Amino acid sequence: EPEVTQTPSHQVTQMGQEVILRCVPISNHLYFYWYRQILGQKVEFLVSFYNNEISEKSEIFDDQFSVERPDGSNFTLKIRSTKLEDSAMYFCASTRGTLYQPQHFGDGTRLSIL
Amino acid sequence: DAKTTQPTSMDCAEGRAANLPCNHSTISGNEYVYWYRQIHSQGPQYIIHGLKNNETNEMASLIITEDRKSSTLILPHATLRDTAVYYCIVRVDKAGNTDKLIFGTGTRLQVFP
Repeated sequence: EPEVTQTPSHQVTQMGQEVILRCVPISNHLYFYWYRQILGQKVEFLVSFYNNEISEKSEIFDDQFSVERPDGSNFTLKIRSTKLEDSAMYFCASTRGTLYQPQHFGDGTRLSIL
Repeated sequence: DAKTTQPTSMDCAEGRAANLPCNHSTISGNEYVYWYRQIHSQGPQYIIHGLKNNETNEMASLIITEDRKSSTLILPHATLRDTAVYYCIVRVDKAGNTDKLIFGTGTRLQVFP
């Protein structure tokens, strides 16, 4: 069964550094998402992306965040200048977008900011 | 999206049925009930969804009350691998609807030997 894959599984970065989290959505999917989960808290929506542009973003997704689909397969989340509070699990999800099709999630990247 | 209420935690013996309730008393007529689960530190996993009829797939069954104000997810023969947090989410579902999922705190199901 096709799945969403994310790399790396764990990323350790110094505060203030840039980080890029990578995702390969399911190949025939058209809508892409990033969510995050701070340890012990709820899964929170960050951003949705379709047709090479952001569809919706949350208040968390400020100017330090950006997303890109640089080629036909990858979907990336960039944090320009990381803060301690960016430490979290980051999940990528995708869906075909047709009726009854759920969002499928990757297993996440654990981001640790030192 | 309508809000849901779920118990914080539940236990279930291995091999027995796990029945996870969800209240969604303010659900609208065009909103579906979705269930996801999250096994420790993994990404949320889709389980099942339904509108008003009961649904069954290889993972679980979904029973929705006639007034649609509550539902129950049933894992017919729980295994230790079913230990997870289970999320009940209500949302509109139509062709092209790609809205974000709004997760609550869910129910932590512990399956014991």
